[in-house]
Amino acid sequence: NAGVIQTPRHKVTGKGQEATLWCEPISGHSAVFWYRQTIVQGLEFLTYFRNQAPIDDSGMPKERFSAQMPNQSHSTLKIQSTQPQDSAVYLCASSSDGSAETLYFGSGTRLTVL
Amino acid sequence: TQTVSQSDAHVTVFEGDSVELRCNYSYGGSIYLSWYIQHHGRGLQFLLKYYSGNPVVQGVNGFEAEFSKSDSSFHLRKASVHWSDSAVYFCAASSRGGYKVVFGSGTRLLVSP
Repeated sequence: NAGVIQTPRHKVTGKGQEATLWCEPISGHSAVFWYRQTIVQGLEFLTYFRNQAPIDDSGMPKERFSAQMPNQSHSTLKIQSTQPQDSAVYLCASSSDGSAETLYFGSGTRLTVL
Repeated sequence: TQTVSQSDAHVTVFEGDSVELRCNYSYGGSIYLSWYIQHHGRGLQFLLKYYSGNPVVQGVNGFEAEFSKSDSSFHLRKASVHWSDSAVYFCAASSRGGYKVVFGSGTRLLVSP
């Protein structure tokens, strides 16, 4: 069990460019969560998938952020027209039962927008 | 409003000392309380959780936490810390079976040799 895998570990983009972040949940886990972590805001919920279906994307900035889970083995978070304020660590987590009682996190992707 | 408060942003102790990291919550309904640890450059790692029963729960690496309904607290303790315990610790609250989690702001623990 390799745990939750996130790629890339670091990504640097120029303002206005697109960034795609990848997450591979633990095999057999039914839920995927995306969070954003910054010093100022702490951990912010972005979106939640259960059995691949998008359940709640209330934390996503609507205009430029989108997330998908095309199959059980991966989820993507796409940020279009990146802005400096998007710079953060983006964390993916999975859970075996779909709840948030016990979350397994990846190591995160540090996004830097210049 | 559901909140989790970690009043200490930074705690510094010496190796071998005991430590208590504080967590207070305000949450309606049935509550799951958890602690996570985050080492530098890594994701959060689950330490322990409480839902019901014995208010003292044991976790990995010698950590334990005690739930108090009267104090609305779920403090994390370790009897003898090691330098490798230096990390940021997050307290978290969720409802049973729910997917929303409220995280505290974190406490950075520094263990000096």
